[in-house]
Amino acid sequence: GQNIDQPTEMTATEGAIVQINCTYQTSGFNGLFWYQQHAGEAPTFLSYNVLDGLEEKGRFSSFLSRSKGYSYLLLKELQMKDSASYLCAVGSGNQGGKLIFGQGTELSVKP
Amino acid sequence: KAGVTQTPRYLIKTRGQQVTLSCSPISGHRSVSWYQQTPGQGLQFLFEYFSETQRNKGNFPGRFSGRQFSNSRSEMNVSTLELGDSALYLCASSLSSTGGQAYGYTFGSGTRLTVV
Repeated sequence: GQNIDQPTEMTATEGAIVQINCTYQTSGFNGLFWYQQHAGEAPTFLSYNVLDGLEEKGRFSSFLSRSKGYSYLLLKELQMKDSASYLCAVGSGNQGGKLIFGQGTELSVKP
Repeated sequence: KAGVTQTPRYLIKTRGQQVTLSCSPISGHRSVSWYQQTPGQGLQFLFEYFSETQRNKGNFPGRFSGRQFSNSRSEMNVSTLELGDSALYLCASSLSSTGGQAYGYTFGSGTRLTVV
């Protein structure tokens, strides 16, 4: 089966650090993606991990452990504009062209 | 450069009708995939096309179909519309021939379909 779990909601304070976890069980694995989606807008690509370890991109970092079926997205120095839904997705299928998404984590950043 | 363009942005259809949605990928992108997004089910994969061939398929009924043209533009069709088909339909394109990989998939703004 295909199952991707992430928390439904999280709240954090401006300037703080927040970690959004994602666990997955999929029949195939061709990398793990994180997307950000603001209300009423298209999802935008944040990060991609295919090997174990940490990938850092500015204020955003993403970690992957394939043996544990686990990933997290770390957001540092939170800003109000980071309030959005964060989607974890696993690439699977033929040539990894099928993304299986989690339900998304709605992050609210408070002043 | 131009992003992924989806038309129309909004559609209202009646149960039983059919609908065709269009997606123009970023120039040079050959992989185009379609997703349905609803509040209850989140983002669900419909199908993916690469070089005019359906390469991956999701678990939607046969009423949902798609195709890709030689210029990489793609269309999806839903026949015999049901109320439950009301959703945001998103198209995404990718530069990589092996899925989104490090480039990620770039999503369009979507078509909001309402079935009444």
